[in-house]
Amino acid sequence: SQQGEEDPQALSIQEGENATMNCSYKTSINNLQWYRQNSGRGLVHLILIRSNEREKHSGRLRVTLDTSKKSSSLLITASRAADTASYFCATDHSGAGSYQLTFGKGTKLSVIP
Amino acid sequence: ETGVTQTPRHLVMGMTNKKSLKCEQHLGHNAMYWYKQSAKKPLELMFVYSLEERVENNSVPSRFSPECPNSSHLFLHLHTLQPEDSALYLCASSQEGLAINNEQFFGPGTRLTVL
Repeated sequence: SQQGEEDPQALSIQEGENATMNCSYKTSINNLQWYRQNSGRGLVHLILIRSNEREKHSGRLRVTLDTSKKSSSLLITASRAADTASYFCATDHSGAGSYQLTFGKGTKLSVIP
Repeated sequence: ETGVTQTPRHLVMGMTNKKSLKCEQHLGHNAMYWYKQSAKKPLELMFVYSLEERVENNSVPSRFSPECPNSSHLFLHLHTLQPEDSALYLCASSQEGLAINNEQFFGPGTRLTVL
């Protein structure tokens, strides 16, 4: 399977703590993207990190990419109750004339006030 | 609000019905996508349209029929569905279709229940 796999499947933390989610994949990628989904709603794009990048920041989000280990992590610092959602990684394996963005099953994050 | 709208938000249909899902993007994007999200399964890409041309069809049964009349609108026509087709159907768009390094903008989804 080429899909990203998130770890853990579920994570529960207290407000103010940091949350770390990991994603592993199996084949080379063009980029890796993280998305967030509130219950029963559409996905919202958070960060895209290209294969030649190692780290990226956006507000309280920090994403790392280790292509040698085929893994990525998403860190949310100083979590808030509003961060409660499912987080998905998606790996872009698109090639010439072929589109392929595959999603993992997600990590369900609960931030307790 | 991502600039991608979907209607209806909820749909209940019988196995013999014919219905359509509609997606509209207000972002000036050139590519649109249909995904299926079932419980406890990864998001499944169904169809990709780039500049109104279908460029990807991930072995989707023929009871799902997409239509892209222009770059802003995407439909998914449904007929003789099965109960296992019950899922959240998500539409997305991106600036380019087959170009890499594109983020996708998702609509809120249509929750479909097939009785």
